[in-house]
Amino acid sequence: RKEVEQDPGPFNVPEGATVAFNCTYSNSASQSFFWYRQDCRKEPKLLMSVYSSGNEDGRFTAQLNRASQYISLLIRDSKLSDSATYLCVVPGFSGGYNKLIFGAGTRLAVHP
Amino acid sequence: EAGVAQSPRYKIIEKRQSVAFWCNPISGHATLYWYQQILGQGPKLLIQFQNNGVVDDSQLPKDRFSAERLKGVDSTLKIQPAKLEDSAVYLCAGRRGNEQFFGPGTRLTVL
Repeated sequence: RKEVEQDPGPFNVPEGATVAFNCTYSNSASQSFFWYRQDCRKEPKLLMSVYSSGNEDGRFTAQLNRASQYISLLIRDSKLSDSATYLCVVPGFSGGYNKLIFGAGTRLAVHP
Repeated sequence: EAGVAQSPRYKIIEKRQSVAFWCNPISGHATLYWYQQILGQGPKLLIQFQNNGVVDDSQLPKDRFSAERLKGVDSTLKIQPAKLEDSAVYLCAGRRGNEQFFGPGTRLTVL
């Protein structure tokens, strides 16, 4: 099993739609999780952190299910500007230091 | 606060040539990461520095890749000799708390 697996996408949705992405992880010891957003030809930027069962920020909701080892990202009322790749990120450890393990990303295209 | 600086932004070389990338992280970020992002994939960690010491280089192809951060501030990543499969975006990042801040990346094309 890969350390982090995501829906491959792409997801093509109309403006105003609700869309959800799933991500599964293999390390049951992971405590915190992240969603990063990456626009085309740009660097990844932190979208949301998830430390407990979930987190909500405006139209974005991230949920964590530790028993099933998956994280989801829900986007409500999609905007054209939401078009991007969404990277699921799980922490790991190496040499006593934190590192981040990135999924391959799920591409979202919101159309008029 | 200035962001993470990287140069060059683009580089095209032929296979077997050498190339070097430079990164200057945000001031005060002791941890520095180099990632390789191949088209259609997520960033893959190549090497992690804590100040000027390497803490993880398990995924760095050491026969051709090298990196240094001599003074614990800026860093260089070198590929010598380059292969076609090294074509990717090379991202540098620093860390504050649990958040990583990425530079704009260097897009390398190996012909």
